[in-house]
Amino acid sequence: EAGVAQSPRYKIIEKRQSVAFWCNPISGHATLYWYQQILGQGPKLLIQFQNNGVVDDSQLPKDRFSAERLKGVDSTLKIQPAKLEDSAVYLCASSLAGFYGSGYTFGSGTRLTVV
Amino acid sequence: RKEVEQDPGPFNVPEGATVAFNCTYSNSASQSFFWYRQDCRKEPKLLMSVYSSGNEDGRFTAQLNRASQYISLLIRDSKLSDSATYLCAVLPPMDSSYKLIFGSGTRLLVRP
Repeated sequence: EAGVAQSPRYKIIEKRQSVAFWCNPISGHATLYWYQQILGQGPKLLIQFQNNGVVDDSQLPKDRFSAERLKGVDSTLKIQPAKLEDSAVYLCASSLAGFYGSGYTFGSGTRLTVV
Repeated sequence: RKEVEQDPGPFNVPEGATVAFNCTYSNSASQSFFWYRQDCRKEPKLLMSVYSSGNEDGRFTAQLNRASQYISLLIRDSKLSDSATYLCAVLPPMDSSYKLIFGSGTRLLVRP
């Protein structure tokens, strides 16, 4: 089974620039998550999709972050404009809808450095 | 109080040692619990789920103490390859969105 695919692996941008990350979940996984992991911290949920609808975006800084999952498969997370504190690893994860006994699978992440 | 708290460590132990980590959670009605392992500059990977009755997978044992609201991970006969950060994750209660909340992780260093 193919895993969660993310690109790019690394990105370096200057503050106030924009950046976009892409995620392709495991086939058949209806639920997709974007997490932000700052160095030395645990992953923090930014947004959760169920198919192409947003379930939870309460911790997404909506003045600068946006995300979409138009056809219920791939997803894009965008930051515009970026700030220094956005430097982090952005992890995408997916799961079958309504899981209970299993955790979910992460992609390898995109490491963003804002200078 | 944070929803999920872990001792950041690092725990520095010799090979062959037994080491245990705890993770406390604030919401007593939380549903499910997991341990993830994260290697340096890698994504978290599911290590094991934590069941009410406790569960064991080789050298790893996970336990849940609902009364005291913590989960634990015990690693016996530590190997150099066990060096990593261990993240606990909790599924909040009464939540249809199934989003895991993670602790900050406990770093383990196993020395020769």
